[in-house]
Amino acid sequence: GDSVTQMEGPVTLSEEAFLTINCTYTATGYPSLFWYVQYPGEGLQLLLKATKADDKGSNKGFEATYRKETTSFHLEKGSVQVSDSAVYFCAIHYGNNRLAFGKGNQVVVIP
Amino acid sequence: DTAVSQTPKYLVTQMGNDKSIKCEQNLGHDTMYWYKQDSKKFLKIMFSYNNKELIINETVPNRFSPKSPDKAHLNLHINSLELGDSAVYFCASSQATGDLPGTQYFGPGTRLLVL
Repeated sequence: GDSVTQMEGPVTLSEEAFLTINCTYTATGYPSLFWYVQYPGEGLQLLLKATKADDKGSNKGFEATYRKETTSFHLEKGSVQVSDSAVYFCAIHYGNNRLAFGKGNQVVVIP
Repeated sequence: DTAVSQTPKYLVTQMGNDKSIKCEQNLGHDTMYWYKQDSKKFLKIMFSYNNKELIINETVPNRFSPKSPDKAHLNLHINSLELGDSAVYFCASSQATGDLPGTQYFGPGTRLLVL
């Protein structure tokens, strides 16, 4: 079935560093792709989304481009802040309003 | 003006007990969900209701029973709680039309600890 795979392990980086979190997907057809973010002690929030190949989703300085040729939707931010410390989930919509989430990546930004 | 709310926020209970978690959304959405997040942050869907009808029922022990009295509410009742039920349970909602499919709005979670 449709699924997403995120890179293993937490990500620790210094303030103002460049952030990349890898996400690849397996799907039939052309699913919509999402990044959700979970701040400490809170529920998930939609961060950005893309519906078709070459679409770029962006929000709060984060970007991700839907790459059909590499089946990827990597999340990037040019200069992270301490307030970006959170868990980031890649997700794929696979019909009937179902979402399949990746395992999530804990991001810790050190001042 | 909370969009998706859950009660209680924390729940500590003994093995074998029965407990309920409640969820309400004031977004006018027609679809609601229950997810379970384990200690490693892995998120797995359990149930989904659309207009009070069960549409997703993943492989979940039958000790878990959802109930949707109306479109704005989806409750989760758990019988005979086990240690492995300890997790964070998230309620979410979405609208079948209008929003991009897959856009879901999550509640703050209920942290369940079974002793």
